[in-house]
Amino acid sequence: EVQLVESGGGLVQSGGSLRLSCAASGFTFSTYWVAWVRQAPGKGLEWVANIGQDGSEKYYVDSAKGRFTISRDNAKSSLYLQMNSLRVEDTALYYCATDYRGAFHYWGQGTLVTVSS
Amino acid sequence: EIVLTQSPGTLSLSPGEGATLSCRASQSVSGSHLAWYQQKPGQAPRLLIHDTSNRATGIPDRFSGSGSRTDFTLSINRLEPEDFAVYYCQQYGSLPRTFGQGTKVEIK
Repeated sequence: EVQLVESGGGLVQSGGSLRLSCAASGFTFSTYWVAWVRQAPGKGLEWVANIGQDGSEKYYVDSAKGRFTISRDNAKSSLYLQMNSLRVEDTALYYCATDYRGAFHYWGQGTLVTVSS
Repeated sequence: EIVLTQSPGTLSLSPGEGATLSCRASQSVSGSHLAWYQQKPGQAPRLLIHDTSNRATGIPDRFSGSGSRTDFTLSINRLEPEDFAVYYCQQYGSLPRTFGQGTKVEIK
């Protein structure tokens, strides 16, 4: 059974940093693209970033470029999102998801990031 | 960036009725790379349809997708109680990946 478990969310002040993690199991992590997708409270879904199987390809939504860094450790079957210079508008539930040719097939339950002013 | 506009915003229907949800793209979606997701309160989204019309693993055949270029449709044949939820379309033909704003299917 595919499982994705996010952690690392919390309350942080504007301008601060957080590092999110996603532990994967039940599939061969190193053979999948993976992604972060977020959802602000009561709002819709927004793709944040994705990363290729060996970590050499990375893509970001414009609002994340220069502030967020996606990375992975295939030996640990883990995905990460380093978030710096956080803004109030980054407040959201952050999901990790498998990214198969661009569609998000499996999702974790999310970790909540709250940025206060 | 491709903007996806879903309509209607809310659909009020009774169990057993059929539902038709629309997703319109601001530009042609390359390769018909469009997906649909279902999200229930307090849950993560679930992939229903990928590549416009292919059901994801385990999705019942009352869900079907169609369309091309800029106009896409999710149809739900004979709504079951568990189908009342919010539905999102998403394009992955180009970066950035974008989602529609969602259609809520509620019990009438």
